[in-house]
Order: sequence, then structure tokens, then C-alpha cells
Amino acid sequence: DAGVTQSPTHLIKTRGQQVTLRCSPKSGHDTVSWYQQALGQGPQFIFQYYEEEERQRGNFPDRFSGHQFPNYSSELNVNALLLGDSALYLCASRLAGVANTGELFFGEGSRLTVL
Amino acid sequence: SQQGEEDPQALSIQEGENATMNCSYKTSINNLQWYRQNSGRGLVHLILIRSNEREKHSGRLRVTLDTSKKSSSLLITASRAADTASYFCATEEYGNKLVFGAGTILRVKS
Repeated sequence: DAGVTQSPTHLIKTRGQQVTLRCSPKSGHDTVSWYQQALGQGPQFIFQYYEEEERQRGNFPDRFSGHQFPNYSSELNVNALLLGDSALYLCASRLAGVANTGELFFGEGSRLTVL
Repeated sequence: SQQGEEDPQALSIQEGENATMNCSYKTSINNLQWYRQNSGRGLVHLILIRSNEREKHSGRLRVTLDTSKKSSSLLITASRAADTASYFCATEEYGNKLVFGAGTILRVKS
């Protein structure tokens, strides 16, 4: 049973560039959330996707956008990168509805460095 | 913004000792969860306690929840070197959004 997989694991970009991070949820899961974790901090919620729509959004600017595909996989896009966007980006999945136990399953993350 | 505040920020103990971490939060919650993270990798879910529960056990883990004080504690008994990690509490708000604290770094010395 495959868990949550993310790609790439590491990447380096320069200020002003754009980046796309990818996530495949755990088998059977239909809801995907993205979190940003700065060094030494706890993860912060970016947004959540269900049925290919953004359902909830955290306090992040419009430079952060996402997408969910019919197979439930998801992408996180960040435009006009800033130095402060350097962080570990975590994808998490779960089942929606009555099957939801509340537990999130996390991937290993994509570490983004902005120079 | 982060709702949970973990205490202490860092904890160093000997193998076999118990480790206690505390978490405080600010708003009403559906449940409170604890997660573990090894060396900046993905988070692993440890235990979930619902707002109407006061105590829960899972193996060597014991979690308490005091909704009147908006606080929770995680106890790891008989710690092992492999328990060395960062531990985060997370409160679940409307829509299953999790709000994490800054974490406690636990080091277990063998």
C-alpha cells in the first residue's frame, strides 16, 4: 500500500522564479492538503483540495496556487519566489466524509531553497 | 499563525526515563493530535484525542486533554534512543484544517 509520495525531494530556485511541487495521495484517499514548514517551526496550512476544488485556504498570498486532478493527485505552484519561501513543503492526504478518522498521512516533503 | 504552544522547546533525557511534553491552544477544537517528525522529514501521526475525551493510551504513549485549560500533554514512557525526534501537537479546526505548534525537540541519550 503506497503512502503519500512527493516530488521532487529537493530543489533550488532563484528569486522571481516559479516552482511546481507534486503529490500523490495514499491509496484510497481523496483529500489532499499542503503545508509549509519553515526551519525550526511547525507546519502551516496552505490549502486543501477535495473533488478537484480548493475547499479551505490558510493565510498565504495568491502566489500560492494549487490543483487537484481526477486521480486525486495534486500540485502546488508558487510564483514570483521570495527568499522567505524557502521551506519544507508537506503534502498530506486523508479520506473525506464519514470514513475520515481525523488522521492525516504525510509525505516526506519537498525541500525548496530560494537563492 | 500557530495555535499550539509546546513546552518545553527541547528536552534531553536518558534511555528508560519518561518524557512529558505539554501543549496549549487558544480556540475550541474538534480534536487534538500529536505527530512525530524525524530530522525534518514527513510527519507521522501518533495519537488523536477527541474534545470529549480526557485521556487516551497507545502503547507507550499517554495523552491527556483538559479543554477547560485548553491544554494537552503527551507522555512517552520508558523512552528509547529511537524516540529521538520532534513532537508536534495539532488542533483540528473546522474543515479538518490542522493548526500545529512549534514543536518539542526530544533527545534520548543511550
